[in-house]
Formats: sequence, structure tokens, C-alpha cells
Amino acid sequence: GDSVTQMEGPVTLSEEAFLTINCTYTATGYPSLFWYVQYPGEGLQLLLKATKADDKGSNKGFEATYRKETTSFHLEKGSVQVSDSAVYFCALTPTQGGSEKLVFGKGTKLTVNP
Amino acid sequence: DSGVTQTPKHLITATGQRVTLRCSPRSGDLSVYWYQQSLDQGLQFLIQYYNGEERAKGNILERFSAQQFPDLHSELNLSSLELGDSALYFCASSTHPIPVNEQFFGPGTRLTVL
Repeated sequence: GDSVTQMEGPVTLSEEAFLTINCTYTATGYPSLFWYVQYPGEGLQLLLKATKADDKGSNKGFEATYRKETTSFHLEKGSVQVSDSAVYFCALTPTQGGSEKLVFGKGTKLTVNP
Repeated sequence: DSGVTQTPKHLITATGQRVTLRCSPRSGDLSVYWYQQSLDQGLQFLIQYYNGEERAKGNILERFSAQQFPDLHSELNLSSLELGDSALYFCASSTHPIPVNEQFFGPGTRLTVL
């Protein structure tokens, strides 16, 4: 079945450091890909999305490119801030099955220190 | 604020009991999704309703059931509760038709089974 694998956390960085969180997926066809973020005590928020190969999603300084050849959707940010501390989830929507459900990775906790 | 509301915020109950979690989707959204977030299983899709009808089922236990009412709010019923049912339960909603599946998440209901 469809699945998402993302790098194990936690990840601890200093402010202004470069961030990469790896995400790879297994799916038939061309799923839509997402990054969601969960701040402490809150629900998930959509951070960015991409719907087809080579699409780049971007938001709030974060970017991810849909790579069909490597089945990857790695999240990057050039300079992290303390306010970026959260749990980040990579997810996909399968193209088959008749549902728009989200399949999530296990999440990566990011802590940014001042 | 995503516009999705969930009640109650916290629920503490005993094994063997039955509880009902409630979700109100964003105004105009026809689809409601339920997800369970636990430490060992991560974020798992439970069930999706679209305009009152069940659209897809995930890893939902037979002890769990859900419905979506004519006013589009949804309820998730959990019965014969076990310790392992302790988790965060999220509701999400989305519009249809959807060129890209952006789901908006509520703040969650934290269920503790003692």
C-alpha cells in the first residue's frame, strides 16, 4: 500500500541554520504530496503542497520539490527561526482508492535554539 | 484558526466505557475526515464522510463508528474502550470538488482511557 517515510527525529538546530527533512514515498501513479506542521498543543496546518512531478511547493521560507525519479519530497529552509520549532509531517493523497485520505509519515520534531 | 471545531478538548474515561467526539467542519465543506494520533501508530486515517455518506474507511476498529449529519457536523463514537484507545483524535474537513486535497484540521480531542 501507499506509505511515507521521513527521517527520524528529533532534529535540533541553532537559529539561522539550514534545515533539511527527508521524505520519500511509495505509491502507485502520481499522488499529491504535502508537508503539514503541528505546533505544540495545536492541530495540523498545511505548510506546502505539490501535485505533479517537478512542482515546487513553497511557503514561509520553506520549500519542497516533487521528485518522481527519486520518489522524494524533501523539506528545506535556508535559515530557521525559533518560531519554526514544531513537528513536521510529510503526507500524500493516493491516486487510487476513491478517497482523499492523507497518508502520513511518522513526523519529525524540530527544535530551534536561539 | 482553521474554522474546524472539535469538542470536547479533553476526555478522561474508564475502560469499557463509550464516548462521543464531535466535529463541526468549516462552513461549506462537505467532506469530513477522522484521524487518530498515537505515539506508537502515528497519524492514521480512520474514516471519511462526504455530504452525509461514508466515502472511505481506513484502520477503524469495529468498536468505533461515525456518522455525518444533515447539517454536516460529524460524530465519532468509541465504545468498549481499551487503554490502547488513548490518543489524540483529529477531525479535518475539505471542500469538493477539490483540485488539490487541502484538508483543514481541528485542534483535536485528547482521549485518556484509565
